Amino acid sequence: NAGVMQNPRHLVRRRGQEARLRCSPMKGHSHVYWYRQLPEEGLKFMVYLQKENIIDESGMPKERFSAEFPKEGPSILRIQQVVRGDSAAYFCASSPLWSGGNEQFFGPGTRLTVL
Amino acid sequence: TQLLEQSPQFLSIQEGENLTVYCNSSSVFSSLQWYRQEPGEGPVLLVTVVTGGEVKKLKRLTFQFGDARKDSSLHITAAQPGDTGLYLCAGSQGNLIFGKGTKLSVKP
Repeated sequence: NAGVMQNPRHLVRRRGQEARLRCSPMKGHSHVYWYRQLPEEGLKFMVYLQKENIIDESGMPKERFSAEFPKEGPSILRIQQVVRGDSAAYFCASSPLWSGGNEQFFGPGTRLTVL
Repeated sequence: TQLLEQSPQFLSIQEGENLTVYCNSSSVFSSLQWYRQEPGEGPVLLVTVVTGGEVKKLKRLTFQFGDARKDSSLHITAAQPGDTGLYLCAGSQGNLIFGKGTKLSVKP
């Protein structure tokens, strides 16, 4: 019974490049959440998606960041034209429909380093 | 504005000691979760508390949700080195609002 899967685990990009982070939720989970964790900071909510729908993107920066959760395949968090300040750990979480988001199960994260 | 304040920020104790960490807010939450995170890994859900005044036990860990559903505590009895990690509380307001965590170190 696989948990939430994220890849890659580590990603290095140069300033100006694009970063694509992938997340496969737990089997049977239809809700996906993305969070960012900066050193010495707590996890900050970015976006909440269901299949083919963005439900809440109030935590997403207005520019360069986008997310999708297509009908088939993993959820993708895309960061265009990365800058050094984007360096962080990005976590994906999934939850079952019945929990209303109250119980979220996290993946191992993708650690993005921007050179 | 940090909605959830966790204290202490750091805690270093000897194996066998008891400890309590706190999670406080001025906001009311529909539920509150406790997670433990180890370096290089994602948070692992320990417990969800929903009802004001609720107490849940998980082996040597006891979780309490305040009557007003604004605060919570985690008590660990006879701490072990394996308890070392970052303990995060998260309140549900639709999405999860996380505290910055308590970094616990249990020395053998």
